Amino acid sequence: ETGVTQTPRHLVMGMTNKKSLKCEQHLGHNAMYWYKQSAKKPLELMFVYNFKEQTENNSVPSRFSPECPNSSHLFLHLHTLQPEDSALYLCASSQKLLGESLSNQPQHFGDGTRLSIL
Amino acid sequence: KQEVTQIPAALSVPEGENLVLNCSFTDSAIYNLQWFRQDPGKGLTSLLLIQSSQREQTSGRLNASLDKSSGRSTLYIAASQPGDSATYLCAVRSSNYKLTFGKGTLLTVNP
Repeated sequence: ETGVTQTPRHLVMGMTNKKSLKCEQHLGHNAMYWYKQSAKKPLELMFVYNFKEQTENNSVPSRFSPECPNSSHLFLHLHTLQPEDSALYLCASSQKLLGESLSNQPQHFGDGTRLSIL
Repeated sequence: KQEVTQIPAALSVPEGENLVLNCSFTDSAIYNLQWFRQDPGKGLTSLLLIQSSQREQTSGRLNASLDKSSGRSTLYIAASQPGDSATYLCAVRSSNYKLTFGKGTLLTVNP
């Protein structure tokens, strides 16, 4: 139990579908992240949210739409995805301490959602 | 653009052996470097984080070193156990705060 829960664990969808991935952290952290892990490629950071505000978007296509309603929940809304979007999507959280850089804090990861686009 | 390379891509050793995993990066202007472990079907678990001003960090049987000037880090695992079998990922935080991961080393420790 990592304290970061992702649902669903597996998702199969067609290119015209709309679905959402959910992440919930029970660690009292104030920063949350979405990562994409494709086969044979390095892990890629997609989005960073700090105190519910998006602070980083690494040139992610608009068919991926994140939402962070509060510090404990993070969603990734998906629509009109492409086959190359099939991957493991990982959520992580960390705690930003006063006076410290967010970059210095370890991130706690969920077990991911395995997404397959037909 | 920072590039992170991990060698070897896969490693298989008998139980009890000491081993070294390698990570190299192209831009030495880094903020910190982190080693993670990933079990099949699971997320990442942070093992060690080394600040750019540090030379090494230790946790139990794990020791990570950092040579910033040569763009290298090593993860040393002492007395390996079958439970150490996993993929080990290196991640470099550049001075512009961008995080770049390597592709990982798949470690198998045979009983």
